[in-house]
Amino acid sequence: KAGVTQTPRYLIKTRGQQVTLSCSPISGHRSVSWYQQTPGQGLQFLFEYFSETQRNKGNFPGRFSGRQFSNSRSEMNVSTLELGDSALYLCASSFGSEAFFGQGTRLTVV
Amino acid sequence: KQEVTQIPAALSVPEGENLVLNCSFTDSAIYNLQWFRQDPGKGLTSLLLIQSSQREQTSGRLNASLDKSSGRSTLYIAASQPGDSATYLCAVNGNQFYFGTGTSLTVIP
Repeated sequence: KAGVTQTPRYLIKTRGQQVTLSCSPISGHRSVSWYQQTPGQGLQFLFEYFSETQRNKGNFPGRFSGRQFSNSRSEMNVSTLELGDSALYLCASSFGSEAFFGQGTRLTVV
Repeated sequence: KQEVTQIPAALSVPEGENLVLNCSFTDSAIYNLQWFRQDPGKGLTSLLLIQSSQREQTSGRLNASLDKSSGRSTLYIAASQPGDSATYLCAVNGNQFYFGTGTSLTVIP
């Protein structure tokens, strides 16, 4: 069974640009969550989608948005990038209680 | 707001030692608690999931316990190996996962 797949693995963007990250969950999993990991703040919850609906949202500005498609694949978008958005972005899929994470997308904003 | 604390922040042990990692949380209204391992620059690998109604879970050399009433969980690693070197994270699941800051473990050959 394939795991959670995140693309791309690495990204370098310039301040002010926007970026879209993709997450393909484990087959059959309908819940997808996104997290930001930085050395200073650790892992912080961005949002969760279930059956194409945002079910929960963390405390991030509106520049961070996401969506989920009918095949459960999810994308997150960050607009007007800031230097502080540089982080490892992790996606998790779950069926029931247990969460399974992808390898992450390393975003560097210069 | 749920706060999760992991102690110690870093731990260095010789190969073969048994060790205990600690996780505490402030709100006992959780669905479950999950322990993860993270290698540098990589994603999280699930180690053990404990439902709120359970007291412990075991997988190989790993044993995790949960005391919801006191807001504590421990991860016990038996006979540590150099390959166990990684950062270990606990996450409590209410309506979202709240993560601790992790324990960085180094097992010295």
